[in-house]
Amino acid sequence: DGGITQSPKYLFRKEGQNVTLSCEQNLNHDAMYWYRQDPGQGLRLIYYSQIVNDFQKGDIAEGYSVSREKKESFPLTVTSAQKNPTAFYLCATAGGNRAGNQPQHFGDGTRLSIL
Amino acid sequence: RKEVEQDPGPFNVPEGATVAFNCTYSNSASQSFFWYRQDCRKEPKLLMSVYSSGNEDGRFTAQLNRASQYISLLIRDSKLSDSATYLCVVNRGGGFKTIFGAGTRLFVKA
Repeated sequence: DGGITQSPKYLFRKEGQNVTLSCEQNLNHDAMYWYRQDPGQGLRLIYYSQIVNDFQKGDIAEGYSVSREKKESFPLTVTSAQKNPTAFYLCATAGGNRAGNQPQHFGDGTRLSIL
Repeated sequence: RKEVEQDPGPFNVPEGATVAFNCTYSNSASQSFFWYRQDCRKEPKLLMSVYSSGNEDGRFTAQLNRASQYISLLIRDSKLSDSATYLCVVNRGGGFKTIFGAGTRLFVKA
């Protein structure tokens, strides 16, 4: 999606390693989200942030961590505690006065696999 | 019971057919509703928002039934390019959390 950049596109993690997925946006949106999608499954919410320096756990936050130090950036760290990290990770943003009621727009995702 | 449920399909239809998808949600406080389409191994893309009075965008019509807590998507005159997974999305009661349905797979055949 225009204005949302996720990197890298593909990532491989070794056992016991932490890896960080990048999400940058230039849409000036307040809200940012991280989702995980497993093959043939829907999206599951990992973390979300309504505003800088604030974030909340989603439905499957265990084994993940985030930070929101800048409005433009919402990196996701997949820690070694996440035992099954292989998935498609999607970052999304939403903006406007009532961002919670606005549609989300997605980056083109990062595919993470275990070596 | 899942918060948002969709028929997983797949729906196999010929070109030119009309196809309808339904999606039910359990949180009566939900305020915002959307349909997304997702192509294989790609990110979801917004197809349309769903308004209380129903809304149309070309061949696509979305309806909301708050009393029965479901939304629907109607695709008329199906094209081969409509083949994708269609995701129903519901906002959790005005907050920032949204719930995605698992999606309905559509195959349009020539």
